[in-house]
Amino acid sequence: DSGVTQTPKHLITATGQRVTLRCSPRSGDLSVYWYQQSLDQGLQFLIQYYNGEERAKGNILERFSAQQFPDLHSELNLSSLELGDSALYFCASSVGLAGMRQETQYFGPGTRLLVL
Amino acid sequence: AQKITQTQPGMFVQEKEAVTLDCTYDTSDQSYGLFWYKQPSSGEMIFLIYQGSYDEQNATEGRYSLNFQKARKSANLVISASQLGDSAMYFCAMREGMDSSYKLIFGSGTRLLVRP
Repeated sequence: DSGVTQTPKHLITATGQRVTLRCSPRSGDLSVYWYQQSLDQGLQFLIQYYNGEERAKGNILERFSAQQFPDLHSELNLSSLELGDSALYFCASSVGLAGMRQETQYFGPGTRLLVL
Repeated sequence: AQKITQTQPGMFVQEKEAVTLDCTYDTSDQSYGLFWYKQPSSGEMIFLIYQGSYDEQNATEGRYSLNFQKARKSANLVISASQLGDSAMYFCAMREGMDSSYKLIFGSGTRLLVRP
């Protein structure tokens, strides 16, 4: 158990819908990352938050957005869903101290999204 | 641009034998970190081992060791005394730089199957 929690574990929805994925980082971790794992794209970084602020953006679609709340949990919002958005979405967390050489990211169990 | 290459889509190993999973990387940065993660069929991503670019010794964690050859830009994972529970996908990942943007770039993964 990494200490990172994600809900829900599974999500089945229809095209055009909107869903929210939730993540709680490990105790003491300030950084939260979202990754998407799909068969055709592999594991791709989406976005990072550090202590409530957006820190880095990757291949995140405009239909997707995220935020990190004062209690450090994070939500990833996916809207106008398409079939191609079906994937495993991971949240990871790390301490987030600048300059730390070993900044290990610990992953949650993931949310498996199926868009029908 | 930073890139991780895992050239072995799948590998077999006999139980109790050692196996090496290949990983090469491309970066122009002098400071970077290399990680290996394991993804069993259940889907979670499990951190295995870390190697920093300035670390002079190869990293080891129990049965896992990292054969780090900086000049060749390779960071191969060695699993000794393979066990049936080692059957999984293995991902090599890299983090560049020392700022607080710690996104990971992942390779395409190697699926390891341990034969009894």
